[in-house]
Amino acid sequence: EIVLTQSPATLSLSPGERATLSCRASQSISSYLAWYQQKPGQAPRLLIFDASNRATGIPARFSGSGSGTDFTLTISSLEPEDFAVYYCQQRSNWPGTFGQGTKVEIK
Amino acid sequence: EVQLVESGGGLIQPGGSLRLSCAASGFTVSSNYMSWVRQAPGKGLEWVSVIYSGGSTYYADSVKGRFTISRDNSKNTLSLQMNSLRAEDTAVYYCARGLNGYNGNFDYWGQGTLVTVSS
Repeated sequence: EIVLTQSPATLSLSPGERATLSCRASQSISSYLAWYQQKPGQAPRLLIFDASNRATGIPARFSGSGSGTDFTLTISSLEPEDFAVYYCQQRSNWPGTFGQGTKVEIK
Repeated sequence: EVQLVESGGGLIQPGGSLRLSCAASGFTVSSNYMSWVRQAPGKGLEWVSVIYSGGSTYYADSVKGRFTISRDNSKNTLSLQMNSLRAEDTAVYYCARGLNGYNGNFDYWGQGTLVTVSS
C-alpha cells in the first residue's frame, strides 16, 4: 500500500498569505495525485487532479505541482473560506490512499 | 444537476449487518466509476470499495469478505452491504462519483451517512 505523508499537520496563516502544503508518497505515483478540501460537517471537495489540473469551478488561486513522490498544493492568497483541512490522494495503485490531512487555520 | 444522497446508516451492534444506499440523480451510476469512502470520527479518509462501469469491484483489505458493493441500474443507486460489523467500522460513509476519464478521483460526493457500531 502506498503511504502518503502530508506536512505540516497544521498551518497557521492569515487571510491574504500564501499557503504551501506538501504531500510525499512512499513510492513513485507518477502524476496520479489529487487534492481535496474538507470543511467541518461537509464532504470533501475535489480541487486538483493528476497533480496540476484544477477541477471545475476551482479558483485560480489554487494550484498543484509535482510528480513522482513529491507534490505541493499552493494557495496563492488565502481567502476566509479557504480555512479547512486538505487531503492528498493517490490513484496510482489500488487501494487508493489518502494522506492524513493538513489543517489550514486562521492565525 | 448531479446529486448523491446516502441513506441507511445508524447504530448497530458488533457482528450485525447494515445496507447503505446512495441515490444518484443527474447522471447514470452504471456508466461511472463509483466508490464508497469512509471517515472515522475526527480521522482522515479511507477508500472502502469501488465498482467500475464494467462491473469489476475492489475492496480495501480491512473490509474484504465482509462488505459488498453493488448497483441497481433500474433505480440508479449504489449500495454497500456491510456484514460482520466491527467497532472500527464506525464512520461516516460517503458515496462518490469518479471523475470522468480519471478513475480514482472523485468529483461529486454525497453528504455522508453515519454508521456507529457499538453495543
